[in-house]
Amino acid sequence: KQEVTQIPAALSVPEGENLVLNCSFTDSAIYNLQWFRQDPGKGLTSLLLIQSSQREQTSGRLNASLDKSSGRSTLYIAASQPGDSATYLCAVKGNTPLVFGKGTRLSVIA
Amino acid sequence: NAGVTQTPKFQVLKTGQSMTLQCAQDMNHEYMSWYRQDPGMGLRLIHYSVGAGITDQGEVPNGYNVSRSTTEDFPLRLLSAAPSQTSVYFCASSSALKGHNEQFFGPGTRLTVL
Repeated sequence: KQEVTQIPAALSVPEGENLVLNCSFTDSAIYNLQWFRQDPGKGLTSLLLIQSSQREQTSGRLNASLDKSSGRSTLYIAASQPGDSATYLCAVKGNTPLVFGKGTRLSVIA
Repeated sequence: NAGVTQTPKFQVLKTGQSMTLQCAQDMNHEYMSWYRQDPGMGLRLIHYSVGAGITDQGEVPNGYNVSRSTTEDFPLRLLSAAPSQTSVYFCASSSALKGHNEQFFGPGTRLTVL
């Protein structure tokens, strides 16, 4: 059974800092991995989708990497801003329905 | 395209009442699913469907029924609501269960059972 773990559960950083969020999964037989952002009381916003054949994807200040063999992904946020404060979720897709981690709650302090 | 739509956005029920959460997608996706999100528990899969007439149970199916009579719609039914079903419900769709496709999520329904 696929299990997804996100560390840390919460993170607080000063504005401008570069930061890394971690996601690990137990079954490396995946098709892709998605990173989502969720603001309090809101829905899921898809940030980046990395296919199993890819090593990384970039969108603006966000860069996600994938090491399928070791079961790890990281989401790198450059020059963090208070507007980046949210919960970040990763989810992996294999031959079973999408499995989510519990998320990392990020606070960027001005 | 509207994508994945969910209604209602908010609902308050009394224990024992029944209701249906609606989910529709206009992307001709075969695969649809329902998740619930609770504090500290993440998103957990309730039921899913790989096509019209085909449904299967996820991690937390008890207390919920689903049906898939059309490709577009995948309603979630609570037959006798319980306070433990207070949660935020998300519907999702993608072109297929397997493969390299992306999943798209609806805006969610926030349900409170008193």
